[in-house]
Amino acid sequence: KAGVTQTPRYLIKTRGQQVTLSCSPISGHRSVSWYQQTPGQGLQFLFEYFSETQRNKGNFPGRFSGRQFSNSRSEMNVSTLELGDSALYLCASSSTLTGNTEAFFGQGTRLTVV
Amino acid sequence: AQSVAQPEDQVNVAEGNPLTVKCTYSVSGNPYLFWYVQYPNRGLQFLLKYITGDNLVKGSYGFEAEFNKSQTSFHLKKPSALVSDSALYFCAVRDGNNQGGKLIFGQGTELSVKP
Repeated sequence: KAGVTQTPRYLIKTRGQQVTLSCSPISGHRSVSWYQQTPGQGLQFLFEYFSETQRNKGNFPGRFSGRQFSNSRSEMNVSTLELGDSALYLCASSSTLTGNTEAFFGQGTRLTVV
Repeated sequence: AQSVAQPEDQVNVAEGNPLTVKCTYSVSGNPYLFWYVQYPNRGLQFLLKYITGDNLVKGSYGFEAEFNKSQTSFHLKKPSALVSDSALYFCAVRDGNNQGGKLIFGQGTELSVKP
């Protein structure tokens, strides 16, 4: 079974631009979550989607948005990029929405804002 | 509010010796606890979880973790460390009384195993 696939693996963007990251969950998984990883703040929850609906959202500005499609694939978008948005963005999928199932992570998208 | 603390930024162990990576947590409801490992430039790999039942849970690659409710701890252990265990380890918690998959992570512990 293929794992969680994130594309692209690396991105370099200029301040003020916008970016879209993609995540394909494990086949059959309907829950997708996004996390931001930085050296200073560690791993922080961005949002969670299940069956195309946002179920939970972290404490990030409105510049960060996401969506999930009917095939469970998810995208996150960051508009008006700032230098501080440079991070590893990780997507995770789970088979259910219940808290007792483990999340499986993709390899991440490394975003560098210059 | 939920939180996870990993009190050690780095743990150094000689190969063949036992290792412990510490984790304490705080949740309002029943805790669902997880350990993940991250190798350089990679995502997080699931190691093991505690949901309910036996306090000692066994996971991948010979790792195990002990849940202690009174001390609100979930320490990761391995009887005999390997050089290949060197990586960044994260403890995470979910509040079992709430639906949803949001994980709260600790800051991570860098494990270094020397030959």
